[in-house]
Amino acid sequence: GENVEQHPSTLSVQEGDSAVIKCTYSDSASNYFPWYKQELGKGPQLIIDIRSNVGEKKDQRIAVTLNKTAKHFSLHITETQPEDSAVYFCAARDFGNEKLTFGTGTRLTIIP
Amino acid sequence: NAGVTQTPKFQVLKTGQSMTLQCAQDMNHNSMYWYRQDPGMGLRLIYYSASEGTTDKGEVPDGYNVSRLKKQNFLLGLESAAPSQTSVYFCASSQDTTGELFFGEGSRLTVL
Repeated sequence: GENVEQHPSTLSVQEGDSAVIKCTYSDSASNYFPWYKQELGKGPQLIIDIRSNVGEKKDQRIAVTLNKTAKHFSLHITETQPEDSAVYFCAARDFGNEKLTFGTGTRLTIIP
Repeated sequence: NAGVTQTPKFQVLKTGQSMTLQCAQDMNHNSMYWYRQDPGMGLRLIYYSASEGTTDKGEVPDGYNVSRLKKQNFLLGLESAAPSQTSVYFCASSQDTTGELFFGEGSRLTVL
């Protein structure tokens, strides 16, 4: 089955700087890669996703890049703000699989 | 708009006791899921239901059972609780098995 590795497990960034979280996956058939944000005491919420037919997708300060050859994808947050502090999860799924496989999460802390 | 509602939010059990976690969604979604979240382990799928009346095992199904008798409800049962089942449990739903997951706020279970 799919295996998703996520790094780093914790990340502290000065407010206004950029943050990058990286994930690798094992199944070359995977073609859908979402990112979820979990705020304290809440359930995860989808913030951005990318499919394998594109290499990059942006939504305001958030972007995701995908390298299918290397089997890795990354979340980029620019101009970080205190409300970006949360746990972020990457995930992967192949077209024929009904289940998402999640990474182990990254706790992002924005330092004011 | 309630979304996904889990009950109870907190529960303490003794080893060997049984209990049921309840999940309800009001979005008319076809698919529902139960995940557990443990430190350093990310989100691991316990069971899922692609549609009303069907259930399938996920990554960590041992010690659990599920029931999807109504489209809007998905129940997770622990027949004989063990300390290893101490965790935060999340229910999620999606339009279908390829769609965005919408999570509840979680149920924290402690087994003594």
